[in-house]
Amino acid sequence: SQQGEEDPQALSIQEGENATMNCSYKTSINNLQWYRQNSGRGLVHLILIRSNEREKHSGRLRVTLDTSKKSSSLLITASRAADTASYFCATDLYTGTASKLTFGTGTRLQVTL
Amino acid sequence: EAGVAQSPRYKIIEKRQSVAFWCNPISGHATLYWYQQILGQGPKLLIQFQNNGVVDDSQLPKDRFSAERLKGVDSTLKIQPAKLEDSAVYLCASSLGSGRTYEQYFGPGTRLTVT
Repeated sequence: SQQGEEDPQALSIQEGENATMNCSYKTSINNLQWYRQNSGRGLVHLILIRSNEREKHSGRLRVTLDTSKKSSSLLITASRAADTASYFCATDLYTGTASKLTFGTGTRLQVTL
Repeated sequence: EAGVAQSPRYKIIEKRQSVAFWCNPISGHATLYWYQQILGQGPKLLIQFQNNGVVDDSQLPKDRFSAERLKGVDSTLKIQPAKLEDSAVYLCASSLGSGRTYEQYFGPGTRLTVT
């Protein structure tokens, strides 16, 4: 079953604008990760935020995590056409023997020139 | 550094036939994962290996799916017999370990179409 639900399901913006995607999940987590998937490079890890962190930055990416609301957001600033892809949040729960990633349904981002 | 390799990239079979996918993880990565990604959905974990032992196969349909990881390196995923609903992309991923903060590296996937 899918743990995370991304919102919106699809987003279309113009190059240079910011894109915000949200993720909600249901159970406790150890960390939350965001991945990007496009036809050219497959599924690629973007950023990881631990459950005791509230915000993290990486280049043009900013991720927030609110464990009390069981939600996370991914902000891409100054978007580029190359950012066109599907973005997935994935919750990570360590079961004692192994870490298990559960992916959400994804947000399809289209960046136009 | 070479990435995760998978083959074949595409496969078309008829229902009730069998099919096998191969994965070679990044050298030195102890943990290997197989995911199923149905069109329009996120990847779903099927099975996770730590070296050559299974640590999670709770979502693997064991009546038709099987997987093995010989010598803790390469892995194969088999479907026998295939059903129409098995049409999906099968992704292999690997990580250094299976602790709480290891990043997973994904292969290009095998797109399976069952007709």
